[in-house]
Amino acid sequence: EAGVTQSPTHLIKTRGQQVTLRCSPISGHTSVYWYQQALGLGLQFLLWYDEGEERNRGNFPPRFSGRQFPNYSSELNVNALELEDSALYLCASRRKASSYEQYFGPGTRLTVT
Amino acid sequence: GESVGLHLPTLSVQEGDNSIINCAYSNSASDYFIWYKQESGKGPQFIIDIRSNMDKRQGQRVTVLLNKTVKHLSLQIAATQPGDSAVYFCAENISGGYQKVTFGTGTKLQVIP
Repeated sequence: EAGVTQSPTHLIKTRGQQVTLRCSPISGHTSVYWYQQALGLGLQFLLWYDEGEERNRGNFPPRFSGRQFPNYSSELNVNALELEDSALYLCASRRKASSYEQYFGPGTRLTVT
Repeated sequence: GESVGLHLPTLSVQEGDNSIINCAYSNSASDYFIWYKQESGKGPQFIIDIRSNMDKRQGQRVTVLLNKTVKHLSLQIAATQPGDSAVYFCAENISGGYQKVTFGTGTKLQVIP
C-alpha cells in the first residue's frame, strides 16, 4: 500500500508570510497527526485530526492551524511566519481503533528567512 | 509534566557489535512505548513497541526492555549493520491520550564499518 505522502518536499518563505503544507494519509487511516521537528530536536506534537475534526493540539500559538478533509487528507497552515518556524514538518497517520502505531511521511522542510 | 529523554545523543558502534540505546521517561502514567528509527531525509519508521504490562519484547534483531521501577526504556540491536545508522527516538503514550505521543530528542547511531 502507498505510504503517507506530503507536499511540498521543500519550501522557502520569508518572515511574515503564510504557508500551507499538505498530507495524504495511508488509505483507510482516519487519523492524521502533525509534528514539528526543529534541527537537533525531537518531534513536537502540533495537531491531531480524526474524522474531520481537530481532537487535540500541542503547545503552539494559534497561528498554527489546520484542517482535515472528507477524504482524510490534511493541511497545516502557518501564518505570520517567524524564523524559528524553520523545521521539518512531519505528518503521520493512524488507523482508527488499531494500535497506537503512527506511520510517518517524509516531511516538508520549511526554511524561513 | 511528562517528558521523554535520551541519555546519549550520539552512539558509535562497530559493525557486528550489539547496540544499546537508552531512554528515560518521567510520566509514570505512560503505559505504551514505541521506538522509531529515522534515517537521513526520511520520516520516522516504527521499529518495535511495548506495553507497560511487559518488561521485554523481541523483534527481528531488536529487543526492547522496559524497567518501570526506574522509568527506563532501552533498545538493543543485535549484530549492528551499516543500515542501522540513523536517529532513534523513543516515544511514550498514555492510554486514552494516544493522540499525543511524546517523543524524546533522539540518539544518533553511527555504525563504523
